[in-house]
Amino acid sequence: DTAVSQTPKYLVTQMGNDKSIKCEQNLGHDTMYWYKQDSKKFLKIMFSYNNKELIINETVPNRFSPKSPDKAHLNLHINSLELGDSAVYFCASSQGTSGRFQFFGPGTRLTVL
Amino acid sequence: AQSVTQLGSHVSVSEGALVLLRCNYSSSVPPYLFWYVQYPNQGLQLLLKYTSAATLVKGINGFEAEFKKSETSFHLTKPSAHMSDAAEYFCAVSVAGGTSYGKLTFGQGTILTVHP
Repeated sequence: DTAVSQTPKYLVTQMGNDKSIKCEQNLGHDTMYWYKQDSKKFLKIMFSYNNKELIINETVPNRFSPKSPDKAHLNLHINSLELGDSAVYFCASSQGTSGRFQFFGPGTRLTVL
Repeated sequence: AQSVTQLGSHVSVSEGALVLLRCNYSSSVPPYLFWYVQYPNQGLQLLLKYTSAATLVKGINGFEAEFKKSETSFHLTKPSAHMSDAAEYFCAVSVAGGTSYGKLTFGQGTILTVHP
């Protein structure tokens, strides 16, 4: 009965590799988000999608490419991983695009060696 | 653009004591304000929210917060701390319009430690 789920929970990889993180929500929401939490616990929005359409795209390197195959899924693909990409990535969802009432997933801890 | 400042990156209280976590916001349009809690190695859980209704908001686990427009504050309180309250707390703001519409902007977090 998980509301927002992410896979994998942990991801350890080498610099230069390409990796993906998957997110799924079963809340019936139409908007999904990706956040990055850095080593100092600072949380910042990266992207959001509404009904598969990109609506928020913060200043994020082009190596990060979100994809939303349907409104219940939002994946994050990262090319050419760098040390600075090490962080916890959180997926969230909400109904509507107001940004209120976001429900967060458990996070994916990405470590780039 | 909106912003949030949480005063005090660490707060330590004794079990049974009052918990007060401070949050001040900046926004050019009426804000929506939130408190989230993050337990170690877990995701964020919504504690409570202010969305322009009552200024005193009650949340889960006995927490409450009061929206004070004149002070641009949304401090989180709990009358009596419990050991299980030890976690990191994040204040966040979103707005109903403008270029920041749809974005949750977080403060830097406050780690709450509860001593027996």
